[in-house]
Amino acid sequence: EVQLVESGGGLVQPGGSLRLSCEASGFTFNTYEMNWVRQAPGKGLEWVSYIGGSGITLYADSVQGRFTISRDNGKNSLYLQMNSLRVEDTAVYYCARGLTGDGDTCDYWGQGTLVTVSS
Amino acid sequence: DIQMTQSPSSLSASVGDRVTITCRASQSISSNLNWYHQKPGKAPKLLIYTAFSLQSGVPSRFSGSGSGTDFTLTISSLQPEDFATYYCQQTYSVPSTFGQGTKLEIK
Repeated sequence: EVQLVESGGGLVQPGGSLRLSCEASGFTFNTYEMNWVRQAPGKGLEWVSYIGGSGITLYADSVQGRFTISRDNGKNSLYLQMNSLRVEDTAVYYCARGLTGDGDTCDYWGQGTLVTVSS
Repeated sequence: DIQMTQSPSSLSASVGDRVTITCRASQSISSNLNWYHQKPGKAPKLLIYTAFSLQSGVPSRFSGSGSGTDFTLTISSLQPEDFATYYCQQTYSVPSTFGQGTKLEIK
């Protein structure tokens, strides 16, 4: 069974940093592309970042230069380092597996971790 | 960025009804269109990918159609578990973008 479990969310002040983790199980992690998608309270879905199996990375303009996606295939884990956080980064952050052949399509999702940026 | 516009934004329907939700892209996205639904407090779930392919395990009452800029999701006979918010997503170009959502409520 595919499982994705996020952790690392919490309350942080504007300008602060946070590192999210996503532990994967039930599939061969290093052969899949992975994504982070977020959802602000009461709002819709926003794609945040993507990482390919070979390490290629992509970012939404809203987080480019502030967030860094990475993966540790030996630990079956995905990460999102978030720096210079803004109030508008407040959201539930989901880790999602990319569909084979179309890595931006998210076929399995974690339960999400809430990041709150507030003073 | 490609803008995705869903209609309607909300919809009331009854169990057994046939329901259609539409999604329009601001430019052609070929068939690179997915549909998800999301229940309150839960993660989204993939229903349809590449416009019409049914994700494994998803009931056959869900179907998708369209190409280019106009797409539809149809639920042939609504079941109680289908009341949720539905999102379309384009994966034709980076950044991938979602529609604003369609909330499907019980009449």
